Amino acid sequence: AQSVTQPDIHITVSEGASLELRCNYSYGATPYLFWYVQSPGQGLQLLLKYFSGDTLVQGIKGFEAEFKRSQSSFNLRKPSVHWSDAAEYFCAVGATGYSTLTFGKGTMLLVSP
Amino acid sequence: NAGVTQTPKFQVLKTGQSMTLQCAQDMNHEYMSWYRQDPGMGLRLIHYSVGAGITDQGEVPNGYNVSRSTTEDFPLRLLSAAPSQTSVYFCASSYRGADYNEQFFGPGTRLTVL
Repeated sequence: AQSVTQPDIHITVSEGASLELRCNYSYGATPYLFWYVQSPGQGLQLLLKYFSGDTLVQGIKGFEAEFKRSQSSFNLRKPSVHWSDAAEYFCAVGATGYSTLTFGKGTMLLVSP
Repeated sequence: NAGVTQTPKFQVLKTGQSMTLQCAQDMNHEYMSWYRQDPGMGLRLIHYSVGAGITDQGEVPNGYNVSRSTTEDFPLRLLSAAPSQTSVYFCASSYRGADYNEQFFGPGTRLTVL
């Protein structure tokens, strides 16, 4: 069975600074990887996804993520954080042939002025 | 397209009460799923369905029942609510086919069990 680990429960970043949120997955085959963002009291918004091909994927709101098979990682990055990026971020993995996702426990991003 | 819709948005129950959380999609998706979200736990799969008449258990199925009589609807039933079922519930759907398909999430139902 697949699993996802997000090592950081909370991260605080200054506005304008760069951001990297970590995600490690466990899955025996090629994974399908996702990052979602959730603002307080809101639903899930898909930031980006990796299915195959280029290991650096671009998403919405200026986010990108890099798939590194050797490290079983799919870290999310943004070069300059805005106060509106404060939210909870979830990494998720989907397995071939299945219709469901396994989520990490989330990382709460706080943005300081 | 309305996408994935969920009703109600908010619900308060007393312990032992029953209720059904509704989920519907108008995209003709074969796959539908229910997740619950709890603080510090991420989203966990409750039940899922790969088509009308076919359902299966996820990671945390206890206390929940599902059925799938139509492609469009996938209701989640709580037969006897418990405080441990206080959570935010998300329904999702996706196409069947190919290796994997992106899931579309509903807006969620926030349930409190007293």
